[in-house]
This record gives sequence, C-alpha cells and structure tokens, in this order.
Amino acid sequence: SYVLTQPPSVSLAPGETARITCGGNNIGLKTVHWYQQKPGQAPVLVIYYDSDRPSGIPERFSGSNSGNPATLTISRVEAGDEADYYCQVWDKNADHLVFGGGTRLTVL
Amino acid sequence: QLQLQESGPGLVKPSETLSLTCTVSGYSIASGYYWGWIRQPPGKGLEWIGSVYHSESPYFNPSLKSRVTISMDTSKNQFSLRLTSVTAADTAVYYCARAEYSSSLDAFYMDVWGKGTTVTVFS
Repeated sequence: SYVLTQPPSVSLAPGETARITCGGNNIGLKTVHWYQQKPGQAPVLVIYYDSDRPSGIPERFSGSNSGNPATLTISRVEAGDEADYYCQVWDKNADHLVFGGGTRLTVL
Repeated sequence: QLQLQESGPGLVKPSETLSLTCTVSGYSIASGYYWGWIRQPPGKGLEWIGSVYHSESPYFNPSLKSRVTISMDTSKNQFSLRLTSVTAADTAVYYCARAEYSSSLDAFYMDVWGKGTTVTVFS
C-alpha cells in the first residue's frame, strides 16, 4: 500500500519559517492535503488540493507539491501554530485514503 | 453552520461490536458529500476507517474492511459505524467527518470533523 513519510518533529523560533515535508512514491502525481491537530482537539484542514487554503486559514499557511516531497510551509511561525501536522492523499489504485505519520511542530 | 457530533458507548468489551453514531446539523447528509470515520489510538497518528455516499459506493480501509459497516439514516441526519470483534488495538478516539471526493482530480479529503469520542476496549 501507499506510504507517506513525514519527519517526526520540527522545532524553530517564533517568526521563522517552518517547512514540513511529506514524501511518497511519485507524490507529485497525487493531490496532497494537510491537517493541523492541536493537543486534545480534532484535526483541522489547513491545505487542500496541494495549495488551496480553506476559509479562515491564515495566508501564512501554504502548500506545494511539484515533486518529492510535498511541503507545507508556515511563515512567521507563532506559538499558536504548535501542533501535529498530517499530510494525506488518496491512493486510487487501492481506493484507500492514506495519512502520513504526522510531524510535531514545536515553537521554541 | 455545519457541525458533527459523535455519540456512543465509551467502553466496549473484547470480541464485542463497537457502535457509534454521528449526528449532523447544519447540512442534510442526503444532499451530497461522503461521510465517514477516522480514528486515533492513544499517542499515535490518524487512521482512516472508511467513508460512504448515500450508503452506497463505500470505501473502507483494507485493513479493517472485513469488520466495518458504515450506514446512513437520512431521516435522522445521522450516520453510524459498526466495528465487530474488537480488541485492545481498537482503543482510540473516533472522529466522524464530512469528505470531499473527486475521482477526476484523484482527491479525497475531510473538510469538517467532529470533536471525537473516546472508545476503550476493556474487559
């Protein structure tokens, strides 16, 4: 089955730019979506269709998928961005929805 | 405003059936979209269970497919999960969610989630 690989953790200071990667076989041929999950809360969609932002998501959040890996970029990171971030694709060969293992973003 | 709310027993005994219901408000589930379930074991990542559209065209996680049923009750604007023969490995927070699916764009993602409900398999 299709596997998505994310780094377990990313740490940086406030104001810096976070880049969270999501690797997978020929991922550039797939559509990638990203979720933010804060402790004790349900996930929230932050990027869909590789780079689109749902209403209410700050412009600081952006996505790209021009090859391996796909990337979620968070500009000018704030303490409130501390969360687990998950990438996700649809594996049409298996009709199976796949999540990456998640990346914990820590703002120092 | 669309809201989803999970409900059901918080404790289930091993080998029994886990049953959860998701009540949807602010949108008629008969009007479209896929509706489904995702779970998260303690301290672990997200695992998709399955999604259905008008109780038809269901998609399930292959690893759970033999034990899972997802059904829709449009008269109550609810959909439900049944997971049979549970073990301790099924202990998790269970989320219900609305999903967008586009076969032409090879895309399937959850745009609205419930708050989740904790289910513990415990004898």
